[in-house]
Amino acid sequence: QKEVEQNSGPLSVPEGAIASLNCTYSDRVSQSFFWYRQYSGKSPELIMSIYSNGDKEDGRFTAQLNKASQYVSLLIRDSQPSDSATYLCAVDTGNQFYFGTGTSLTVIP
Amino acid sequence: KAGVTQTPRYLIKTRGQQVTLSCSPISGHRSVSWYQQTPGQGLQFLFEYFSETQRNKGNFPGRFSGRQFSNSRSEMNVSTLELGDSALYLCASSLARGTYEQYFGPGTRLTVT
Repeated sequence: QKEVEQNSGPLSVPEGAIASLNCTYSDRVSQSFFWYRQYSGKSPELIMSIYSNGDKEDGRFTAQLNKASQYVSLLIRDSQPSDSATYLCAVDTGNQFYFGTGTSLTVIP
Repeated sequence: KAGVTQTPRYLIKTRGQQVTLSCSPISGHRSVSWYQQTPGQGLQFLFEYFSETQRNKGNFPGRFSGRQFSNSRSEMNVSTLELGDSALYLCASSLARGTYEQYFGPGTRLTVT
C-alpha cells in the first residue's frame, strides 16, 4: 500500500465550477498535510497546508482534513483555465515527506 | 526573499559518467531534501539533510549520494550514470525537520544518453 494515494484523473471541470481533489494516506501518525500545484515542465508550488481536522480556506482554495478517515481534500472554487495543472498531495509523518502521484486537472473554458 | 535555486538547470551526460547537482535553500532554511521526478514514478524521495547530516534516505542505490555544507547549501552526486537516471531532480528546503512546509527549486533536468 502506498503512503499517499490520489486519483490520477484526469479530472475535467468547466470554468467557474468547483473542482474537488482527494487524497488518502496510510500512516496514522502523520502530522502535516500539503497541497502542491505543478504546471507542466515546472516544479511543484505549495498552495495550501493544513495541520488540524476541519477546513482551511485561502482565497478560492479550501483544504479539508479528516484524520479519523485519513483523508485530505482540496476544493477549488470558481475554477479558472489557469488552474489546469497537476495537484500533488503531500503528507509529513514527522520523519519524511510522502507525495502522491498527483491528479491532473483540466479546466475547460 | 530569494527562493530555492538549483544549478545547473539542464544537463546532458552519457552513460557511465558522473554528475553533481547543486541546491541553495531559502535563506534561513536548514533542511534540504532531494527528489527524483519521472513521468512513470512521480516524486521519489532521495535524501534529506539537516545540519550537515543526512537524516533520511530513500530507496535508491549507493550511486546516489549527497552532502550539505555549513551554509545549508547542498549537493547531490550520481555516479556511473544509467539511462534510467534521466529525470527532473528537485531540491526542496524547509526551516527545519518535521511539520514544516517544503519549498521547491526549479529543478535540474538531467538527460542521460
